[in-house]
Amino acid sequence: DAKTTQPPSMDCAEGRAANLPCNHSTISGNEYVYWYRQIHSQGPQYIIHGLKNNETNEMASLIITEDRKSSTLILPHATLRDTAVYYCIVRPYNNAGNMLTFGGGTRLMVKP
Amino acid sequence: GAVVSQHPSRVICKSGTSVKIECRSLDFQATTMFWYRQFPKQSLMLMATSNEGSKATYEQGVEKDKFLINHASLTLSTLTVTSAHPEDSSFYICSARDSAGGRNTEAFFGQGTRLTVV
Repeated sequence: DAKTTQPPSMDCAEGRAANLPCNHSTISGNEYVYWYRQIHSQGPQYIIHGLKNNETNEMASLIITEDRKSSTLILPHATLRDTAVYYCIVRPYNNAGNMLTFGGGTRLMVKP
Repeated sequence: GAVVSQHPSRVICKSGTSVKIECRSLDFQATTMFWYRQFPKQSLMLMATSNEGSKATYEQGVEKDKFLINHASLTLSTLTVTSAHPEDSSFYICSARDSAGGRNTEAFFGQGTRLTVV
């Protein structure tokens, strides 16, 4: 799987948008970008994924650059409960059994 | 959304004893489940891939005789830490993906098991 690079930590004010960047410059054509988050002492939670088009769901938006070498996860109105480690992962879609390879992630701290 | 249930959520055991952790997919079938381990302030590390009806596949450096995996049904995988030692103390997390969900379904994770070996 392609390697991803994320800043180790970020702060965000409560109620403001949190923009979490991810670099995946070696991504190949058959790899999707997935985002998960892990709140302290819990299992990871799926947020969103995409291939090349921007995606939005009830949790977040995913913006993928045209060359697909980077992406940004946007939490439009961050709350204190969004404090977590956010993982950006790329994974090929050709096998539903593929495991996820976690990097260091970004520790997002939402502050009052 | 799909739910993966992991039990127990927390366990303390004596050194030398064995501990079994269960991972169940509650509303879908999973031919493949994954077991991860996470030490404090570190990321998740894949330990093994659990395959229904066949032997598990272990990552390099993970002892298969110490971490026994059984995936006897499409909804249940178990991880048994045998002869546990304090260095096995960690956060163990399982993951499963709906086998019928197509190629690009997301993986769902259990809530994790905090193992403390004393």
